[in-house]
Amino acid sequence: DVKVTQSSRYLVKRTGEKVFLECVQDMDHENMFWYRQDPGLGLRLIYFSYDVKMKEKGDIPEGYSVSREKKERFSLILESASTNQTSMYLCASSPTPADTQYFGPGTRLTVL
Amino acid sequence: GESVGLHLPTLSVQEGDNSIINCAYSNSASDYFIWYKQESGKGPQFIIDIRSNMDKRQGQRVTVLLNKTVKHLSLQIAATQPGDSAVYFCAELISGTYKYIFGTGTRLKVLA
Repeated sequence: DVKVTQSSRYLVKRTGEKVFLECVQDMDHENMFWYRQDPGLGLRLIYFSYDVKMKEKGDIPEGYSVSREKKERFSLILESASTNQTSMYLCASSPTPADTQYFGPGTRLTVL
Repeated sequence: GESVGLHLPTLSVQEGDNSIINCAYSNSASDYFIWYKQESGKGPQFIIDIRSNMDKRQGQRVTVLLNKTVKHLSLQIAATQPGDSAVYFCAELISGTYKYIFGTGTRLKVLA
């Protein structure tokens, strides 16, 4: 079974703080994704990585950056957290870009 | 608590009855579709998928139907159980891309 884990289930940060969200997958997948999930909206893609050190912007990259130093790990960084970044953050991985995506449990981030 | 799903349409069914959840997808160029189940406080879980060269696919207690003419996808759950209570949403993959479009979801409530 594919296992995608995220470092925190719940996180509370203050406006202006730098925030790191970590994601690890154990299936040697090439592709990893970061989404945010908000009420009334479908999942929205923030960033995508198709290989180590490679990344592409998704639909809403503003205010975020990512890091993929190792194949199994994909980090989402909020350089200076703002209240409108309060959301559920979901990481996913897939063997190929156009394949089923397997999700982690999510991190609920609250920015005060 | 979780805020995902606050404004979702809700389907209530009696335990043991069949459930049908619908999804209208947006892009006629989409050629791969997935149904996910998301329980409260958890990440989305893959249920079943279907490619555009098929119009029906069956799994264990679940069936997905695809009508490309009207761009409609449905998920049928047979003999619905309390453990089926969750938010269900569809995802479509636009052909030739890695980009999924996710639906906002339907909340399924199973009544004892």
